[in-house]
Amino acid sequence: DAGVTQSPTHLIKTRGQHVTLRCSPISGHKSVSWYQQVLGQGPQFIFQYYEKEERGRGNFPDRFSARQFPNYSSELNVNALLLGDSALYLCASSENTETEKLFFGSGTQLSVL
Amino acid sequence: GENVEQHPSTLSVQEGDSAVIKCTYSDSASNYFPWYKQELGKGPQLIIDIRSNVGEKKDQRIAVTLNKTAKHFSLHITETQPEDSAVYFCAANNQAGTALIFGKGTTLSVSS
Repeated sequence: DAGVTQSPTHLIKTRGQHVTLRCSPISGHKSVSWYQQVLGQGPQFIFQYYEKEERGRGNFPDRFSARQFPNYSSELNVNALLLGDSALYLCASSENTETEKLFFGSGTQLSVL
Repeated sequence: GENVEQHPSTLSVQEGDSAVIKCTYSDSASNYFPWYKQELGKGPQLIIDIRSNVGEKKDQRIAVTLNKTAKHFSLHITETQPEDSAVYFCAANNQAGTALIFGKGTTLSVSS
């Protein structure tokens, strides 16, 4: 079975632009979470979605938003990009709302110039 | 706020030696503690996890111990191999159970 898939793998944007990142969870997993990983740091929680509902939100500004679709795939949107948004964005899936057995994709590397 | 501290930040061992990475957490409500291995260009991979009702768990060369009273947990890797070289992250779940709080990572280098 395929693991968590994310697209695109790399992305270059300029300040002020908008970006959409996409994620497909492991088959059978109903929960998707998004994390931001800055170089040299551990992943930081952004959102958790389960059954299309937002179940948790980390300490990120309103420029960050997400949604989950009926097929459990998800999108992360970031508006008005700042240089500090440059990071690896990781999507993770799990069977339910619990954070146990969280499986990560390879991420989207976003560079904001 | 919720916090997980991890040390050391870097660890170099000879092939065959043991490696130990330690973490402490701040939220007494945390009850799930996973460890992830991240190789260059890849996402974190779950290697072992432990729940708060268990003090120790072992899987082949990897073991994790938990001390809830002291709020710390450790990863032990025995008989290290060059392919164990990677960045290792510890994590704890938050009070709401909706997120993992990660440590800053330990870069493990195993030389042959």
